[in-house]
Amino acid sequence: DGGITQSPKYLFRKEGQNVTLSCEQNLNHDAMYWYRQDPGQGLRLIYYSQIVNDFQKGDIAEGYSVSREKKESFPLTVTSAQKNPTAFYLCASTGTLYGYTFGSGTRLTVV
Amino acid sequence: QKEVEQNSGPLSVPEGAIASLNCTYSDRGSQSFFWYRQYSGKSPELIMFIYSNGDKEDGRFTAQLNKASQYVSLLIRDSQPSDSATYLCAVNSVQGGSEKLVFGKGMKLTVNP
Repeated sequence: DGGITQSPKYLFRKEGQNVTLSCEQNLNHDAMYWYRQDPGQGLRLIYYSQIVNDFQKGDIAEGYSVSREKKESFPLTVTSAQKNPTAFYLCASTGTLYGYTFGSGTRLTVV
Repeated sequence: QKEVEQNSGPLSVPEGAIASLNCTYSDRGSQSFFWYRQYSGKSPELIMFIYSNGDKEDGRFTAQLNKASQYVSLLIRDSQPSDSATYLCAVNSVQGGSEKLVFGKGMKLTVNP
């Protein structure tokens, strides 16, 4: 079945550590997105990519980095510069006018 | 900054009633409008999309769009306890040739048996 796979489902980060969240899609979608969701809040855009080897900053890109070397993959790195990384991270993709398809999310906690 | 505003919640309705969720948006150039349902701890799932002014019905769900008023709503008829979730309004925004969805903060709906 086609879809978006995010891994891991839960991730724990120590202070000062970089961590990478994986996002893979087999929907043949060109555009991919990373959102962050805090409790009781909507989704805030971190980074997005419309095409391979190109990506743009969203509204809250500071402390995050991405790459888009393959159409299927759009990993997100949460760097030590992100001071409040605890959140629910959602990856999405789209190839049509019919909205986004979301992965199941990664819940990141700082320990 | 393009914005999407949803009514502050939460909203509580009895089983069988009509639930009405509303959303306004600031970008007059927006062409696509979406409603997502998100259960606690889960990712959002698309339940309705609408592009043209007027109503669009799908089962118990009706989306309404008024571009002149920059207003989009979702009606849920015959509400069921399984409809209890957070509903997110999303609007497309095109800037510098790139398109993205802007989300509202969501409205938590509880349907009481």
